[in-house]
Amino acid sequence: KQEVTQIPAALSVPEGENLVLNCSFTDSAIYNLQWFRQDPGKGLTSLLLIQSSQREQTSGRLNASLDKSSGRSTLYIAASQPGDSATYLCAVFGSGAGSYQLTFGKGTKLSVIP
Amino acid sequence: KAGVTQTPRYLIKTRGQQVTLSCSPISGHRSVSWYQQTPGQGLQFLFEYFSETQRNKGNFPGRFSGRQFSNSRSEMNVSTLELGDSALYLCASSGGTGTYEQYFGPGTRLTVT
Repeated sequence: KQEVTQIPAALSVPEGENLVLNCSFTDSAIYNLQWFRQDPGKGLTSLLLIQSSQREQTSGRLNASLDKSSGRSTLYIAASQPGDSATYLCAVFGSGAGSYQLTFGKGTKLSVIP
Repeated sequence: KAGVTQTPRYLIKTRGQQVTLSCSPISGHRSVSWYQQTPGQGLQFLFEYFSETQRNKGNFPGRFSGRQFSNSRSEMNVSTLELGDSALYLCASSGGTGTYEQYFGPGTRLTVT
């Protein structure tokens, strides 16, 4: 059974800092890994998707890496802003027979202090 | 292109009642998945439908059921509501093949009293 762990559970940084969020998963049989952002009481916004054959993806100030063999991914946020405050969720899409589901970590709650 | 829509956005029900939630996927998407989000358990997979067929189901009791229509719209039903069913229910759509990138709707907040 796939398990996804995110460290740290919460993070508070001053505005302008660069930061790294970590995600690990136990089963390397995945199609892809997605990073999402969730604001309180809202749905999920997709930030980046990395296919299992890729090593990293970049979008603006965000960069995500994937090491499938070690079961790890990181999300790097450059020059953090107060508007980045949210919960960040990592999820893997399984490739095992009959999977077709995302397995989520519990998230990292990020607070960027002005 | 319009995003994923879910109705209703908020719902208050009494224990023992049943409820139906609706999800309209992005135009052209054939896969719809449902997830339950609670503070204690986080996001948990309920089921996934592709072209009206359920391809996978999570570990939830039989009170939770779903279906998908020929236009890809999906509904989920919860019968005999329990207090523990209070949660944010999220729907995601994708093409169903290829990248499997998931796009989520705003969710339905269900409160059971």
